[in-house]
Amino acid sequence: DQQVKQNSPSLSVQEGRISILNCDYTNSMFDYFLWYKKYPAEGPTFLISISSIKDKNEDGRFTVFLNKSAKHLSLHIVPSQPGDSAVYFCAASELGPATDSWGKLQFGAGTQVVVTP
Amino acid sequence: SQTIHQWPATLVQPVGSPLSLECTVEGTSNPNLYWYRQAAGRGLQLLFYSVGIGQISSEVPQNLSASRPQDRQFILSSKKLLLSDSGFYLCAWSTGRPLHFGNGTRLTVT
Repeated sequence: DQQVKQNSPSLSVQEGRISILNCDYTNSMFDYFLWYKKYPAEGPTFLISISSIKDKNEDGRFTVFLNKSAKHLSLHIVPSQPGDSAVYFCAASELGPATDSWGKLQFGAGTQVVVTP
Repeated sequence: SQTIHQWPATLVQPVGSPLSLECTVEGTSNPNLYWYRQAAGRGLQLLFYSVGIGQISSEVPQNLSASRPQDRQFILSSKKLLLSDSGFYLCAWSTGRPLHFGNGTRLTVT
């Protein structure tokens, strides 16, 4: 039972344009959402996160939007650059006081982004 | 700064052979440690986590086991590998949010 879904396995975008990656979830207990970026043969690198008390978080060229009623989040990359070509994973964790819950993430299957010159 | 080391980077093992993957974290104390696996075409799945020495929690039933003999060392093991154990294994640590990953081990069971 996949609780986090990324329905687009791939995305191709021109350099300088906006990349929009989407993610849907089913578990209403998720309270924290993250995006990771992964290059081939490397581990995922943390990119940006958002708490369920917010609906937007911005960090440079990266913005994450959260729509709790729709159980949907998206990552916007503006402008897209060739170095952004990677696999992007959406992840979520449940509300919980124990610190071990912070690392117990549910991941989507990832979206391969290719930025063309 | 904190760093995480995971080895080997790639491993090819025959079915029925044992497995030992090791992970160490530097620059932090008493981290939570995690083992994740990515099967082909799928997202990452949590296998084990540990909140302290000797404390291991398993998330999914499987052919693998984990141990934490020291504060910053986490080991993933198997006595007899199965073909289905092939995948990309990632060690991760946290002392809060977010979770930080190592570079992973690509395991191919033949």
